[in-house]
Amino acid sequence: EIVMTQSPVTLSVSPGERATLSCRASQSVNSKLAWYQQKPGQAPRLLIYDASTRATGISVRVSGSGSGTEFTLTISSLQSEDFAVYYCQQYNDWPGTFGPGTKVDIK
Amino acid sequence: EVQLLESGGGLVQPGGSLRLSCAASGFTFSNYGMNWVRQAPGKGLEWVTAISGSGGSSYYADSVKDRFTISRDNAKNTLYLQMNSLRAEDTAVYYCAKGMTTITTRNDYWGQGTLVTVSS
Repeated sequence: EIVMTQSPVTLSVSPGERATLSCRASQSVNSKLAWYQQKPGQAPRLLIYDASTRATGISVRVSGSGSGTEFTLTISSLQSEDFAVYYCQQYNDWPGTFGPGTKVDIK
Repeated sequence: EVQLLESGGGLVQPGGSLRLSCAASGFTFSNYGMNWVRQAPGKGLEWVTAISGSGGSSYYADSVKDRFTISRDNAKNTLYLQMNSLRAEDTAVYYCAKGMTTITTRNDYWGQGTLVTVSS
């Protein structure tokens, strides 16, 4: 099973600043990496797939990069709706494993 | 508009059984794989099981293999999860999620979830 790790655990950011989240896979997942956002009491929402493709309706402030084992999610100019927990997930191999999440909160 | 509506959650005793349903609309159901993903209280996401668009292939997490069974009725646009021999550690919100291809754990739409509590 591919193990996904995320850093940091919590990221405190001021509104208007940039947030950079990291995700690492225990072995190569090529570019088969997705990012999800989850707010309290809500279902996850797909942000990015194939490492860098924005999902339908996702703001251009959200971008993804990386391949192999190292990936980054960047959210420029954070707005109030961006404060949430973010999960990465690999789907290169079964089972599709999630990282433990990074919580982005208000500084 | 894609909609996924889960039902069937509730309180069940350890060793008991429960069947979850997910009613889908807004897309051609048989063209897409479907998944169940769960989230224990205060914890992260855990993929549980996936089924192909035709229903002919399925995959399971080791933690539920031989206890849970995923199935679908394409005529009714409905996904199911039969859960047997339930344990306390199965307590979670169970999400139904639409795959982006015929079978994949990459999901673009998620239901709101149904809570399963396993406790005596």
